[in-house]
Amino acid sequence: EAAVTQSPRSKVAVTGGKVTLSCHQTNNHDYMYWYRQDTGHGLRLIHYSYVADSTEKGDIPDGYKASRPSQENFSLILELASLSQTAVYFCASTRLGGLAEQFFGPGTRLTVL
Amino acid sequence: QQQVRQSPQSLTVWEGETAILNCSYEDSTFNYFPWYQQFPGEGPALLISIRSVSDKKEDGRFTIFFNKREKKLSLHITDSQPGDSATYFCAASDTNTNKVVFGTGTRLQVLP
Repeated sequence: EAAVTQSPRSKVAVTGGKVTLSCHQTNNHDYMYWYRQDTGHGLRLIHYSYVADSTEKGDIPDGYKASRPSQENFSLILELASLSQTAVYFCASTRLGGLAEQFFGPGTRLTVL
Repeated sequence: QQQVRQSPQSLTVWEGETAILNCSYEDSTFNYFPWYQQFPGEGPALLISIRSVSDKKEDGRFTIFFNKREKKLSLHITDSQPGDSATYFCAASDTNTNKVVFGTGTRLQVLP
């Protein structure tokens, strides 16, 4: 059974609208991450969290907010979606931060029109 | 500024050949280097990893060669199979960070 799940799996949003991407993990991991994947850029870190009710900025946080209401759940929020945020978004969890295997979800394909 | 670089962007080999994927990094504090494999429509999954205290790590047909002095590493896939066709990401992290930096990936195609 999948240990990291994401919802929705795909979404079409309108420019200026609000988008929430959800991630749920059953790994009992403390660390969770949100990445975006674009052709030619690989995976870039948006936000991450190492404990519930706390989030940290990654390398490209502008235009995104994150929320970690519990150990299992981590959301990525686009308050005002823009065309440039069209991408595939991946959530991941890990036990020990940067030195441990990251377990990725299946991804959410977001298209902003 | 790209801290982890990969080459080539794409690579095509015939079944049975050895595929060589290259990676280089800039930050000398990096000491953990995982390689992730990603199939279309899926999330990346850890394939093999190496720590900077080692210069080689082998797992079946997959081998990482690591050169700390030159800040370079490579992934060798021997006896390549069509099922190895995927995108491979080199990544790096260190003990002082909770973050992993990913390269831009190499898209490998293995022809039967």
